Amino acid sequence: QVQLQESGPGLVKPSETLSLTCTVSGGSISNYYWSWIRQPPGKGLEWIGYISHIGTTFYYPSLKSRVTISVDTSKNQFSLKLTSVTAADTAVYYCARLDCGGDCYHDHWGQGSLVTVSS
Amino acid sequence: QSVLTQPPSASGTPGQRVTISCSGSRSNIGSNYVYWYQQLPGTAPKLLIYRNDQRPSGVPDRFSGSKSGTSTSLAISGLRSEDEADYYCAAWDDSLSGPIFGGGTKLTVL
Repeated sequence: QVQLQESGPGLVKPSETLSLTCTVSGGSISNYYWSWIRQPPGKGLEWIGYISHIGTTFYYPSLKSRVTISVDTSKNQFSLKLTSVTAADTAVYYCARLDCGGDCYHDHWGQGSLVTVSS
Repeated sequence: QSVLTQPPSASGTPGQRVTISCSGSRSNIGSNYVYWYQQLPGTAPKLLIYRNDQRPSGVPDRFSGSKSGTSTSLAISGLRSEDEADYYCAAWDDSLSGPIFGGGTKLTVL
């Protein structure tokens, strides 16, 4: 059974860069897409972007200028960088597998990592 | 960011049947499969329904999904206290070339 685990700092200062890594275990990172999704406190789910195992990326338009998602197949990991953060970026950040076998959907999720933006 | 519209809340008593609606447009629900996620308090979302009406293994048959045109519904029969959670609909959006979620419905079991 594939499992995902987010890791990274829980506190980031305003204007700095948020960095998170997702480690995939129980399966290969190949042949799937991998997403980052966030959930501000008390709010709904917001998709940030996804990457394929060969590095093809697609980002949500309103975040595109600040987001970079990368993949390291040798470590079975993918990562998120979000620059110039503000308090509005405070959220639980989830990594998830995006299965695009027929249609595309998130079938496995990490447990989530709370990132607070505060000085 | 929500492009799919859900009621913010729903409620029912144990044993009752409740439905949660979700509406979208031709570029998402109208053209693609719909998915439902259950998020129990303090946990990550869990896939509940895939491809409109399919249940992953382990999901009770009390949960069912349906789709018609640009709308979809999740029905929960024989409501139980452990069903109290947030429920999100999701679909691929062809205009965005990405996934979109509903705003979520908080289900309360009275």
